[in-house]
Amino acid sequence: AQSVTQPDIHITVSEGASLELRCNYSYGATPYLFWYVQSPGQGLQLLLKYFSGDTLVQGIKGFEAEFKRSQSSFNLRKPSVHWSDAAEYFCAAGSGGYNKLIFGAGTRLAVHP
Amino acid sequence: DVKVTQSSRYLVKRTGEKVFLECVQDMDHENMFWYRQDPGLGLRLIYFSYDVKMKEKGDIPEGYSVSREKKERFSLILESASTNQTSMYLCASSSTQTLYYEQYFGPGTRLTVT
Repeated sequence: AQSVTQPDIHITVSEGASLELRCNYSYGATPYLFWYVQSPGQGLQLLLKYFSGDTLVQGIKGFEAEFKRSQSSFNLRKPSVHWSDAAEYFCAAGSGGYNKLIFGAGTRLAVHP
Repeated sequence: DVKVTQSSRYLVKRTGEKVFLECVQDMDHENMFWYRQDPGLGLRLIYFSYDVKMKEKGDIPEGYSVSREKKERFSLILESASTNQTSMYLCASSSTQTLYYEQYFGPGTRLTVT
């Protein structure tokens, strides 16, 4: 069955430190891949997406993600975290019809000053 | 910018009540989706619609129904609310004109059933 796994439920980093959030997918073929961010009490905002081409994609707010086919991974990174990055991050994958997405369980990021 | 709005941010209902959650998008998107979000479970698809009056069950449709009479509006209906339907409900829309399955989300409705 198709699935998206985010192994880390909670991550805490210090402000200014680098960040990597993990995402693994299980699909028959390479799906389209997304990272969304949800600030407290808000809906989801798209950070970045991958569908083909360059395996390193840049997104908003200084985030980037790297697609690695051999590892079925699409990890999100940021070189220097800001306190405002504290939020929940969701990895998602899509394929097939009707633009349906499958979401991971999410990773909650806390940022210490 | 795409805008997806949901009728209520917070809603408190009693067990057994009929509940309507409304979602409106302003970008003429063909596809609309209803998810529920629970801690540790991520987003789970309840129903989606790919055209007016067309709907498909998602992964957890039990206890829910939907209505799409106009392209811009997609309603989620809880026929008889139960406490296990206390959750955050998120609406999303997407266009069939893009290849990338990108969905745009509303702010969510936090429903509490007492």
